[in-house]
Amino acid sequence: NAGVTQTPKFQVLKTGQSMTLQCAQDMNHEYMSWYRQDPGMGLRLIHYSVGAGITDQGEVPNGYNVSRSTTEDFPLRLLSAAPSQTSVYFCASSYPGHSAQYFGPGTRLTVT
Amino acid sequence: AQSVSQHNHHVILSEAASLELGCNYSYGGTVNLFWYVQYPGQHLQLLLKYFSGDPLVKGIKGFEAEFIKSKFSFNLRKPSVQWSDTAEYFCAVKTAGTYKYIFGTGTRLKVLA
Repeated sequence: NAGVTQTPKFQVLKTGQSMTLQCAQDMNHEYMSWYRQDPGMGLRLIHYSVGAGITDQGEVPNGYNVSRSTTEDFPLRLLSAAPSQTSVYFCASSYPGHSAQYFGPGTRLTVT
Repeated sequence: AQSVSQHNHHVILSEAASLELGCNYSYGGTVNLFWYVQYPGQHLQLLLKYFSGDPLVKGIKGFEAEFIKSKFSFNLRKPSVQWSDTAEYFCAVKTAGTYKYIFGTGTRLKVLA
């Protein structure tokens, strides 16, 4: 199993550009989520999904869009990048209920 | 709203010293508790987890944590740290029956050889 994969590993955007961060998992996990990690702030939940076709907002959803058309994939879209979105983004997945999350390797995004 | 507090932001220890990292959460109902570790340049990995039963849970690499319900705490311990334990440690809480995991702000541990 590849586990949770994320692409790209690094990305630099200009303010106003849009892009999609990709996340895929091959463990048939129902639950998937996106976090951003900023120094001194830990991980903050952006959006999450409990299954194909079902998504919900987390703690910091503004400026981000998600969709879940398949169990495997959960892309995160930045609609109009802003410098405040400079961060490291982690995707995670798990089974529902009593289960820990598996994390991807992260995408380091810089918005200039 | 739920919150998770990790009071130690930076900890520096010498090898063989004992470690205890604090974690407190604010929710009064049934919770699932986790400790994750992030080694430099790597993604988060699960150290240990608590769902029910024995409040003292043992994880990988000699780590353990104790759930004290009356104190809303889930402190991480290791009797003797190694240089390779240098990493950032995150406590996380999930309210039973929900899908949202709330993370603490993390504790950076540096172990001096």
